[in-house]
Amino acid sequence: DAKTTQPNSMESNEEEPVHLPCNHSTISGTDYIHWYRQLPSQGPEYVIHGLTSNVNNRMASLAIAEDRKSSTLILHRATLRDAAVYYCILRDVGGSNYKLTFGKGTLLTVNP
Amino acid sequence: DGGITQSPKYLFRKEGQNVTLSCEQNLNHDAMYWYRQDPGQGLRLIYYSQIVNDFQKGDIAEGYSVSREKKESFPLTVTSAQKNPTAFYLCASSIDDLAPLHFGNGTRLTVT
Repeated sequence: DAKTTQPNSMESNEEEPVHLPCNHSTISGTDYIHWYRQLPSQGPEYVIHGLTSNVNNRMASLAIAEDRKSSTLILHRATLRDAAVYYCILRDVGGSNYKLTFGKGTLLTVNP
Repeated sequence: DGGITQSPKYLFRKEGQNVTLSCEQNLNHDAMYWYRQDPGQGLRLIYYSQIVNDFQKGDIAEGYSVSREKKESFPLTVTSAQKNPTAFYLCASSIDDLAPLHFGNGTRLTVT
C-alpha cells in the first residue's frame, strides 16, 4: 500500500489559517487522498477527500499538487475545537480499499 | 440521530477472560470495521465485514473474533488468546467500500 508522511506535530494560533502537509510520493492513479481527524478520546471524523482537483467543504479545503505526490489540508480559521490529530490516508479504489491504514498523523495544537 | 454506538465506554476485565465489545449502527451501512488504537499510535484494522454473514481478517486478527448476524450489529470478542488486549477499540461503518468511514466513540478496554 502506498504510504503517507506527515509531520508529527504543528502549532497554530486561533483564527489563523493552518496548512497541514502530507507527502505521498508513491501514490498510484487510483488512490484517493482522504483526511480524517481525531479529537481526544473520540473516534476519527471524516474531513475531506479528493483525487486530482482541489476540494472544498464546510470543514476544510484540500489542495493537491499537480503531480499528486503531496497534498495540503487547509483550515481557513483555526478554532480551539480544531485541536486534534489529523490523518492523511490513501484509499485505493481499485484494490483493497477496505484496509484504510491510519498512521500516527499530525497533532495540531491551537493556541488561544 | 443516525450514528454508531459503542458500549460500554470503559471496560475492565481480568486476564484470561473473554470479553465482547458492542457496536451498533442505525445508518443502514453495509460495511463495518473494527480497529485497535494503542497510546500515541495510529489505528490498526482487526476485522471488517462488507455484508451480513460475511467478514474478513484485517492486519491483527489473532486473538479476536467477530460475528455479523445483523446488518446493524458487529460485536467484537477479545479472547484470552490475545496477548496484549489493553487498548482503545474503535468500530466504524461505511455505506460501501468506497465511502468515508463513520466511527463510534470507542471502548477503552483494560485487562489486568
